[in-house]
Amino acid sequence: DADVTQTPRNRITKTGKRIMLECSQTKGHDRMYWYRQDPGLGLRLIYYSFDVKDINKGEISDGYSVSRQAQAKFSLSLESAIPNQTALYFCATSDGGHPLPNEQFFGPGTRLTVL
Amino acid sequence: GESVGLHLPTLSVQEGDNSIINCAYSNSASDYFIWYKQESGKGPQFIIDIRSNMDKRQGQRVTVLLNKTVKHLSLQIAATQPGDSAVYFCAENSGGSNYKLTFGKGTLLTVNP
Repeated sequence: DADVTQTPRNRITKTGKRIMLECSQTKGHDRMYWYRQDPGLGLRLIYYSFDVKDINKGEISDGYSVSRQAQAKFSLSLESAIPNQTALYFCATSDGGHPLPNEQFFGPGTRLTVL
Repeated sequence: GESVGLHLPTLSVQEGDNSIINCAYSNSASDYFIWYKQESGKGPQFIIDIRSNMDKRQGQRVTVLLNKTVKHLSLQIAATQPGDSAVYFCAENSGGSNYKLTFGKGTLLTVNP
């Protein structure tokens, strides 16, 4: 089984709809991240969480919210989807790596289309 | 603002040749760098990392070079294979202990048989 899973893998929705993307991990990592990937723009950080009581805004948090339900689960919500939120969304995890950082492990991605 | 960028958006090589993918970064405080590989339809996959106190690090068929003087990072792939065809991203940690990665835009590597 995959260490980082995302559901759904593909989603088409309409403008104004609320949508939730879910991420689960079995790696036992404390840190979880949500990224958005657009062609030509690379990966941009939306939100991140260093433990279940910690939520931080990333580079492009406007229009998004998150919930860290448990160490293993981190969900991303679009309260009122708009077409420019059409993108590929990735969840990632890391174990913190104190005092030095280490790699992030990525899920397979969710392709979201907002019509 | 600070950013990570790539010199070449696409690179095409022959199977068996060596590949070099370049990356420029602008945050002199970045202390950690990672190269990721992303195949079509998949999430990024870790290739190799390097800390700012190092100039070079080698893995299996891959080598990362860090030149802090000119803020340049490169990924060398030896004996490139068709399976190496993917988009390659460099990323820098500019957040110190907060460990937030800033990703470059990616280079598409195509390996011709």
